[in-house]
Amino acid sequence: DTEVTQTPKHLVMGMTNKKSLKCEQHMGHRAMYWYKQKAKKPPELMFVYSYEKLSINESVPSRFSPECPNSSLLNLHLHALQPEDSALYLCASSSPTSRTEAFFGQGTRLTVV
Amino acid sequence: AQRVTQPEKLLSVFKGAPVELKCNYSYSGSPELFWYVQYSRQRLQLLLRHISRESIKGFTADLNKGETSFHLKKPFAQEEDSAMYYCALQGAQKLVFGQGTRLTINP
Repeated sequence: DTEVTQTPKHLVMGMTNKKSLKCEQHMGHRAMYWYKQKAKKPPELMFVYSYEKLSINESVPSRFSPECPNSSLLNLHLHALQPEDSALYLCASSSPTSRTEAFFGQGTRLTVV
Repeated sequence: AQRVTQPEKLLSVFKGAPVELKCNYSYSGSPELFWYVQYSRQRLQLLLRHISRESIKGFTADLNKGETSFHLKKPFAQEEDSAMYYCALQGAQKLVFGQGTRLTINP
């Protein structure tokens, strides 16, 4: 299995809602990432988890809260988002010890209304 | 700091013509460089990496440390090559992308 699976594929939420994005991989990768991609822009790194510990937070606002409950799962908890947070959120995984390719999920298309 | 620059946002060539997508990087350590491709309605996927020095779908890329470049080349473009191409640099823990080049192959 060489896939990264993200759910849901689409999400519409109000500014007062709380929701979560989920990401799962079964490739034994111990590095997992969240990226944000706006239209016609490259993916921008948000968070990096290495061996289930948060190792990089790219100064992301606290309304985004990542969680890595085990080596296969990565969540992104969302609360009090703004319309400008609407974007495609991508999850990726890789081996942290050898700098090999990252595998990406299809993404969650988030719309904040 | 690590930075990747792709100077061309858009590139349009005719089928059968050669293609070159430019990528320059800035990184103080030993870089690991990749080309990722995103076809219409598909996920971002690896095209090739510098360390393997292979040709994928007819594309090659050579790392030039002196010029800090990793340009992507293909001698004869095909219509199915139309896609968004991102050059990416893997640093200590971060994979950072360039702005991307949208390649269109005209019939």
